[in-house]
Amino acid sequence: GENVGLHLPTLSVQEGDNSIINCAYSNSASDYFIWYKQESGKGPQFIIDIRSNMDKRQGQRVTVLLNKTVKHLSLQIAATQPGDSAVYFCAEKGQGAQKLVFGQGTRLTINP
Amino acid sequence: DAGITQSPRHKVTETGTPVTLRCHQTENHRYMYWYRQDPGHGLRLIHYSYGVKDTDKGEVSDGYSVSRSKTEDFLLTLESATSSQTSVYFCAIGLARGDTQYFGPGTRLTVL
Repeated sequence: GENVGLHLPTLSVQEGDNSIINCAYSNSASDYFIWYKQESGKGPQFIIDIRSNMDKRQGQRVTVLLNKTVKHLSLQIAATQPGDSAVYFCAEKGQGAQKLVFGQGTRLTINP
Repeated sequence: DAGITQSPRHKVTETGTPVTLRCHQTENHRYMYWYRQDPGHGLRLIHYSYGVKDTDKGEVSDGYSVSRSKTEDFLLTLESATSSQTSVYFCAIGLARGDTQYFGPGTRLTVL
């Protein structure tokens, strides 16, 4: 909804530039990570995932990088478009856990 | 929204009244989840189900109950709504424990 993420970190990029959104996680035993996109008034939408046995995974215009040494996850969006404006958040799953733990997210705004 | 519908999409109710939210899926996924999303808190798990009649509590289950009598339907009930339960509620589905979750469009609930 429109009130979600009222005080979220914000990243502003020019249309056509690449965007990099970061996520730090705390559980060194996490073995599965997901990036979601949430547009205003909509439910979170799955973008891409990565397992801990990988460092990088590519999708269509998106790349996820995982650095287990520093417990850092990033989402790279190539050639950012107006439709990419949204809140992006990561989720992690601890090894053997049943549930995902969600971050609060970053708001991406696109400047024309 | 991956074959997930939520009803109602919007509801305004008064303190002390019972409220039931419905999640319906057409994907035949085993796992179903109810989350609430509030500014400053991100997505928080209320309850989840790992099969028909099999449910368990999440991190914010007080004041909520759930039922799953069919694979495709997962109901969330607020027995006596309070203003602190004003939120946006999302249902999610998943194939396996802790695996990728796909979200519905959400229900905005306002308790006056």
